[in-house]
Amino acid sequence: DGGITQSPKYLFRKEGQNVTLSCEQNLNHDAMYWYRQDPGQGLRLIYYSQIVNDFQKGDIAEGYSVSREKKESFPLTVTSAQKNPTAFYLCASSPERAYTDTQYFGPGTRLTVL
Amino acid sequence: AQSVTQLDSQVPVFEEAPVELRCNYSSSVSVYLFWYVQYPNQGLQLLLKYLSGSTLVKGINGFEAEFNKSQTSFHLRKPSVHISDTAEYFCAVSGRNTPLVFGKGTRLSVIA
Repeated sequence: DGGITQSPKYLFRKEGQNVTLSCEQNLNHDAMYWYRQDPGQGLRLIYYSQIVNDFQKGDIAEGYSVSREKKESFPLTVTSAQKNPTAFYLCASSPERAYTDTQYFGPGTRLTVL
Repeated sequence: AQSVTQLDSQVPVFEEAPVELRCNYSSSVSVYLFWYVQYPNQGLQLLLKYLSGSTLVKGINGFEAEFNKSQTSFHLRKPSVHISDTAEYFCAVSGRNTPLVFGKGTRLSVIA
């Protein structure tokens, strides 16, 4: 089955720790995206990558980092510099680099900072 | 920068009644408009999108939306809702050189 997988589904972290969220796709899509979802806030773009070894900051990149070493993988690290990291994180991919493309979403990771 | 306003945060509606979820966007030369649906604790999936051409767009699950350039709106409609339509609905806009921007969402609750 083709799709996007995110792991883990739930993640708990102590304040001050870095944590990495996994996102893998086997759709052979060029572009990948990370969003943060908070209740009543919609989705906000953290980072996106349109090609391997290249990525751009979104609207709320501070306190986050990414890498795109392989086409199928786009991990997100939430660093200790992110002041309010508790949220639902969604990864998405799209076939090409155009902003008209449909985005396909993973099931999400819920991160809770204790 | 692009922006999207979803005018209603929650919409309750009885089963088999019609529904309209409202979306307005900031004006730009070229806009591409999308509606996504999110079921509880899941990712999003595309309902429909407008890129160009006919202003009435039909999507999955019986939904449709109409692009109105003069009113900068892209309202989502369904003539008869089912319990299974209970979900959160997001309007989104992108431009030729700008990535997708989402609205804050409208929670549709269908009442039996």
